[in-house]
Amino acid sequence: GAGVSQSPSNKVTEKGKDVELRCDPISGHTALYWYRQSLGQGLEFLIYFQGNSAPDKSGLPSDRFSAERTGGSVSTLTIQRTQQEDSAVYLCASSLIELQAHEQYFGPGTRLTVT
Amino acid sequence: ILNVEQSPQSLHVQEGDSTNFTCSFPSSNFYALHWYRWETAKSPEALFVMTLNGDEKKKGRISATLNTKEGYSYLYIKGSQPEDSATYLCASPTDSWGKLQFGAGTQVVVTP
Repeated sequence: GAGVSQSPSNKVTEKGKDVELRCDPISGHTALYWYRQSLGQGLEFLIYFQGNSAPDKSGLPSDRFSAERTGGSVSTLTIQRTQQEDSAVYLCASSLIELQAHEQYFGPGTRLTVT
Repeated sequence: ILNVEQSPQSLHVQEGDSTNFTCSFPSSNFYALHWYRWETAKSPEALFVMTLNGDEKKKGRISATLNTKEGYSYLYIKGSQPEDSATYLCASPTDSWGKLQFGAGTQVVVTP
């Protein structure tokens, strides 16, 4: 079946512009996670959605970052007024149920470059 | 240990040789330990999820062990092949809902 998909695969934007990153999780997966990997860093948690509950936004680095998940499926991560330090690979993952012992299925990522 | 840590940062292995590397994680409030393989230009792929102290899991030539009391896990690759070249990530949930804290990864390069 189809895996997690993300778009765009690459995005180059000018500092100060807004960007939207999209994630299509595996159908039926109720948990959706966003992570990012900055150059030389490990994967960093950003935000987590489970079902229709309020998301866990504890990993978002600033109020320029926001995310939504519509209809319990597609998610969009928005970065406003991008800065150079936002340059990273942004990964989305989904999981069948919201338990710690369940593997997460990752998309191929969006490589964001802010110039 | 407060964070998930992996060592070494990178490994160069000759084809056919076996190798192993370490993941250290906070042993308090332990939920699970995940291993992922991340090949260049591909999605991270789950290898193992382990929850019980003493767990050993195997997938082909790759295996992993878990010690939750001392907070470490080993990943072993037996008879390395060039297709094993990847970054191997370990991660531990920081809460009961699966929010993962990742190590920085061990990059494995297998040369023919």
